[in-house]
Amino acid sequence: EVQLVESGGGLVQPGRSLRLSCAASGFTFDDYAMHWVRQVPGKGLEWVSGISWNSNNIVYADSVKGRFTISRDNAKNSLYLQMNNLGAEDTALYYCVKDISYIVAGNFDYWGQGALVTVSS
Amino acid sequence: EIVLTQSPGTLSLSPGERATLSCRASQSVSSSYVAWYQQKPGQAPRLLIHGASTRATGIPDRFIGSGSGTDFTLTVSRLEPEDFAVYYCQQYGSSPQTFGQGTKVEIK
Repeated sequence: EVQLVESGGGLVQPGRSLRLSCAASGFTFDDYAMHWVRQVPGKGLEWVSGISWNSNNIVYADSVKGRFTISRDNAKNSLYLQMNNLGAEDTALYYCVKDISYIVAGNFDYWGQGALVTVSS
Repeated sequence: EIVLTQSPGTLSLSPGERATLSCRASQSVSSSYVAWYQQKPGQAPRLLIHGASTRATGIPDRFIGSGSGTDFTLTVSRLEPEDFAVYYCQQYGSSPQTFGQGTKVEIK
């Protein structure tokens, strides 16, 4: 059974940093690209960032480019999102998401339950 | 970026009825790279359809995806009680991949 478990969310002040982690199990992690997708509670979905199976291809939404860094550790079956210079607009539930492909295709077949990030003073 | 507009915003139907959800793209989506997701309250989205018309693993055949170019449709042939939820379309043929704003299917 595929499982994606996010951690690292919480309340953070504007301008500060936070690092999300995602522990993956139930599939061959290094065979697939991975993504972060966020959702403001009660609102729609916004893709944030994606990383290919071997980390050679990394893409970001314009809204987070230069502030967020996605990475993965295939030996630990883990995905990360380093978020710097956070603003109120980054407040959302952040989902760790598995791609259907090894490249950053953007087709998402499994989702975690999400980690809530709240940016507030 | 490609903007996806879903209609209607809310669909009020009874169990057993047919639901037709529309997703219109601001420009043509290459290779019909459109997916549909279902989201229930308090849950993560679930993939229903990819490639515009291919059902994901374990998805019942009452969920039917169709369309090409800029117009895509998700049809639920006969609504079951568990189908009342929010549905999102997504295009992944052009970077950045984008989502529609969602259609809520509620019990009438």
